[in-house]
Amino acid sequence: GQNIDQPTEMTATEGAIVQINCTYQTSGFNGLFWYQQHAGEAPTFLSYNVLDGLEEKGRFSSFLSRSKGYSYLLLKELQMKDSASYLCAVRDGSNYQLIWGAGTKLIIKP
Amino acid sequence: DGGITQSPKYLFRKEGQNVTLSCEQNLNHDAMYWYRQDPGQGLRLIYYSQIVNDFQKGDIAEGYSVSREKKESFPLTVTSAQKNPTAFYLCASGTGLLQETQYFGPGTRLLVL
Repeated sequence: GQNIDQPTEMTATEGAIVQINCTYQTSGFNGLFWYQQHAGEAPTFLSYNVLDGLEEKGRFSSFLSRSKGYSYLLLKELQMKDSASYLCAVRDGSNYQLIWGAGTKLIIKP
Repeated sequence: DGGITQSPKYLFRKEGQNVTLSCEQNLNHDAMYWYRQDPGQGLRLIYYSQIVNDFQKGDIAEGYSVSREKKESFPLTVTSAQKNPTAFYLCASGTGLLQETQYFGPGTRLLVL
C-alpha cells in the first residue's frame, strides 16, 4: 500500500532548530514536497526534492534519501510565526498524483 | 495579482441540498484539483482536470461532481449523495507537467445544518 508517516505534533522553542521527519512507502517516486499550513488557511509551498541530498532555502532546508524512503524539513532560528502544520507529500510514480501525509503540527514556545 | 480564488469562505448545507463551490485561477495553469481536508488526515483528492472539458475521478469522488468548461474555472458540486460533507475543501492548480508544483486557493469550509 501507499503510506506517508509524519509525527502528529512537535514543540520547539523560539530561536531554536527543529527537524520534522517524513517517511514514505509508495508504488513509485517522482518527487517529494513540503508545504506549510497555518490553521484555517491554504497550504503554501515550501520545498521540492526529487534527487537525494539537501536543498536549502533561507531558514528552511529539506533533505531526501530515496533509498531510505525518508525526508526531513529543517527549520532554523524559529520564529513564533512558524507555528503551523507542515505537510509532506509524495508524487506517485504511476499516476503522478500527490499522496499526502496527515501533517505535523509545530508549536513554538517563547 | 495572479492567484487562485475560492468562494465562499464558509458554506452551509441543508439536508438534501446540492451546493457548489467556486474555484477560479488566473495563473494560466492547465491542471486543477479539488481536495478534501479532514482533521487528522492527509489531503484526499476528489477530482482533477488536466485540460479543458476533461476531468478524472480522484480517490473519493462519490457524492461530488465537477465541470471544466473554461481553463480558469473548476467548480465543485457537493451533492445530497455525499453523506458526510462537513470538511475543508481546497482547490489547487498546476502546470500539469511532470515536475509541477501545486498552488492552493484559500479554501471553503462546508458545514451541514
